[in-house]
Amino acid sequence: DAGVTQSPTHLIKTRGQQVTLRCSPKSGHDTVSWYQQALGQGPQFIFQYYEEEERQRGNFPDRFSGHQFPNYSSELNVNALLLGDSALYLCASSMINQPQHFGDGTRLSIL
Amino acid sequence: GIQVEQSPPDLILQEGANSTLRCNFSDSVNNLQWFHQNPWGQLINLFYIPSGTKQNGRLSATTVATERYSLLYISSSQTTDSGVYFCAVESTGGTSYGKLTFGQGTILTVHP
Repeated sequence: DAGVTQSPTHLIKTRGQQVTLRCSPKSGHDTVSWYQQALGQGPQFIFQYYEEEERQRGNFPDRFSGHQFPNYSSELNVNALLLGDSALYLCASSMINQPQHFGDGTRLSIL
Repeated sequence: GIQVEQSPPDLILQEGANSTLRCNFSDSVNNLQWFHQNPWGQLINLFYIPSGTKQNGRLSATTVATERYSLLYISSSQTTDSGVYFCAVESTGGTSYGKLTFGQGTILTVHP
């Protein structure tokens, strides 16, 4: 039974570019959440998707957007990248009212 | 929004020692999870414990929801226990549904 899988594992971009990160949830999970973890900090909630709709959103600008597909997989898109967007991006999946399980993350570096 | 405070921020132990990590939160919760983040960044689920006590091998956790705190106990620590321990909560407030709020973490270093 595969856990949460994320791709790519590492990514290097330059300022102003756009990036798409991908997440496949654990089998049987229908809810996907995205978090940003800056160096030395705890993860910060970006948003959550359920039934292909954004259900909750954290305090992130509109440059951060997402999508959930009918198979429950999800994408995180970030436009107009800034140096401050350099971080570990974590995806978590869950069923409703159940604990969240995290993938290994995508480490994004902005030059 | 809900506030989560973890203590101590740093902890250094000799192998074999026991330790207690604390997580205080400022509002009622319907989800509380403890995680271990290893040096490669992987967040590993330790406990899902919105209330009560659970044990898993050398680790155990207790959440007293009415007093808004949770404790993680590590007994007979090993070098592989090193890493960052996070407490994360989901408030019962309607606008927080599905959102985990993390504490700043406790950095644990276990020396051989």
